[in-house]
Amino acid sequence: EPEVTQTPSHQVTQMGQEVILRCVPISNHLYFYWYRQILGQKVEFLVSFYNNEISEKSEIFDDQFSVERPDGSNFTLKIRSTKLEDSAMYFCASSGKDRNQPQHFGDGTRLSIL
Amino acid sequence: SQQGEEDPQALSIQEGENATMNCSYKTSINNLQWYRQNSGRGLVHLILIRSNEREKHSGRLRVTLDTSKKSSSLLITASRAADTASYFCATVFISGGSNYKLTFGKGTLLTVNP
Repeated sequence: EPEVTQTPSHQVTQMGQEVILRCVPISNHLYFYWYRQILGQKVEFLVSFYNNEISEKSEIFDDQFSVERPDGSNFTLKIRSTKLEDSAMYFCASSGKDRNQPQHFGDGTRLSIL
Repeated sequence: SQQGEEDPQALSIQEGENATMNCSYKTSINNLQWYRQNSGRGLVHLILIRSNEREKHSGRLRVTLDTSKKSSSLLITASRAADTASYFCATVFISGGSNYKLTFGKGTLLTVNP
């Protein structure tokens, strides 16, 4: 069965540094998402992406965050200048062409900011 | 917040027993999805139930949806130790445009004792 894959599985970065989290969504999916889960808390929506543009973003997704689909397979989340509070598990997800299709998640990237 | 809570927050049962988890939400939905998360891992999609459906089955899983009460339940029958995980409900709310984001609850931690 097709999977969403994320790399790296764990990223340790100094505060203030830039990080890029990478995702390869399921190949025939059209909608792409990033979520995050701070340890012990709810999974929170960050951003959705469709037709090569952001379709919605949350309050968390401020100017320090950006997403890109640089080619036909990868979907990236960039944090320009990381803060301690960015430490979390980041999940990429993808789904098909309508609301009534499930979102499939990757195993996540654990981001640790020192 | 548009998303209510799952209850119970934690549930401990013996292998072979049934486990029931509940989820409430606050606004009209397009669909509701249940996910499982093993410790430190990604979210695995279990079942999607649409707003016009009342019950859905998948193997040992049974999901019900009561839109008048804005609630859903997940029943796992004949539980196994391998079912030990956190279970989350997530909703897709009715809105315009291409907003398909999931809004998650806090989850129920299910422990199945051998």
